[in-house]
Amino acid sequence: GAGVSQSPSNKVTEKGKDVELRCDPISGHTALYWYRQSLGQGLEFLIYFQGNSAPDKSGLPSDRFSAERTGGSVSTLTIQRTQQEDSAVYLCASSFQLAGGETQYFGPGTRLLVL
Amino acid sequence: EDQVTQSPEALRLQEGESSSLNCSYTVSGLRGLFWYRQDPGKGPEFLFTLYSAGEEKEKERLKATLTKKESFLHITAPKPEDSATYLCAVQVRGGGGNKLTFGTGTQLKVEL
Repeated sequence: GAGVSQSPSNKVTEKGKDVELRCDPISGHTALYWYRQSLGQGLEFLIYFQGNSAPDKSGLPSDRFSAERTGGSVSTLTIQRTQQEDSAVYLCASSFQLAGGETQYFGPGTRLLVL
Repeated sequence: EDQVTQSPEALRLQEGESSSLNCSYTVSGLRGLFWYRQDPGKGPEFLFTLYSAGEEKEKERLKATLTKKESFLHITAPKPEDSATYLCAVQVRGGGGNKLTFGTGTQLKVEL
């Protein structure tokens, strides 16, 4: 079956511009996660959705970052007034959500470069 | 604070030369430990989940084991196609929610 898909694959933007990154989770997965992978660093958690609500937003680095999920499916991560330090690979993952411990399956990522 | 440390940072093996990657963790309460493989320019690919000390899982040339403090990923007779970055992550019980906390990975290169 289809895996997690993300778009765009690559995004180059100028400092100060807003960007939107999209994630389509695996069909039927109720949980959706956003992570960020910076050069030389591990993946860091940004936000978690269960259905359309976000019980854990603790990883968002500043109020320039926001995310939403609609219809329990597609999610959009928005970065406003981008800065050069926002350059990274943004990864989306999805899973079933039962008792916890379910496997998270990752998409291919969006590579963001802020000039 | 939950911490995950992977070693070595990089490992170069000859084809057929078996070795082990280490993942040490310090968490308040482990819900699960996950191993992923990541190829350049791609997202992490799931390998194994381990839930309790003493558990072992195998897939082809890979075997993952878990103790109360660390996990090992054993690679037996590796081939060049096993070259990748191997990531370890933990999910904790309670207030940690469902997020994964990752180590920085071990970059494996297998040469002919």
